[in-house]
Amino acid sequence: SAVISQKPSRDICQRGTSLTIQCQVDSQVTMMFWYRQQPGQSLTLIATANQGSEATYESGFVIDKFPISRPNLTFSTLTVSNMSPEDSSIYLCSVPRGISGEQYFGPGTRLTVT
Amino acid sequence: AQSVTQLGSHVSVSEGALVLLRCNYSSSVPPYLFWYVQYPNQGLQLLLKYTSAATLVKGINGFEAEFKKSETSFHLTKPSAHMRDAAEYFCAVSVSNFGNEKLTFGTGTRLTIIP
Repeated sequence: SAVISQKPSRDICQRGTSLTIQCQVDSQVTMMFWYRQQPGQSLTLIATANQGSEATYESGFVIDKFPISRPNLTFSTLTVSNMSPEDSSIYLCSVPRGISGEQYFGPGTRLTVT
Repeated sequence: AQSVTQLGSHVSVSEGALVLLRCNYSSSVPPYLFWYVQYPNQGLQLLLKYTSAATLVKGINGFEAEFKKSETSFHLTKPSAHMRDAAEYFCAVSVSNFGNEKLTFGTGTRLTIIP
């Protein structure tokens, strides 16, 4: 199984600022996923990050708001830009296991925007 | 596109009673189905998965789920609830896509255990 860590585990940020969330995996993976979980809600896929190419964003998410970097096969960052209180969520990264769609999840980053 | 529906956003059961969390899926091709659990302030942990082998799937912590194609269901059960089962449970679906499988999650069910 893959071990995934995220930094920071939580943060409180002011409106209009940006936060970069780091995701580190203990093994090399081609694909990494970023999700948002708004308070009391389910998980929504933000984007898929493949090493060596631009991230693929889901409908409703744009690169200017959520830029993603994928510099190598074990690391990725998600930046939440120009934050507003509506961005208060848990952000999770995940990696696939096998070919069935199963994924390993990181512990999440709990973001509060004031 | 595939989707899942979880009936009941909140379920309460007494300790020792049967746990039944409902999940129905929609998919035009054979699906892969998953149940994940999220304990307070933690990430998601896989409970069990259906990947077209046995229709009755056993998972961790005494949970199991049965894939019923005729009912498009994948309900999660546990014969006897324990206090530690209190958590949020998510049903999820994916389909084969040449290594580009994505998970689609249901809205989740919060399970409360009554002492």
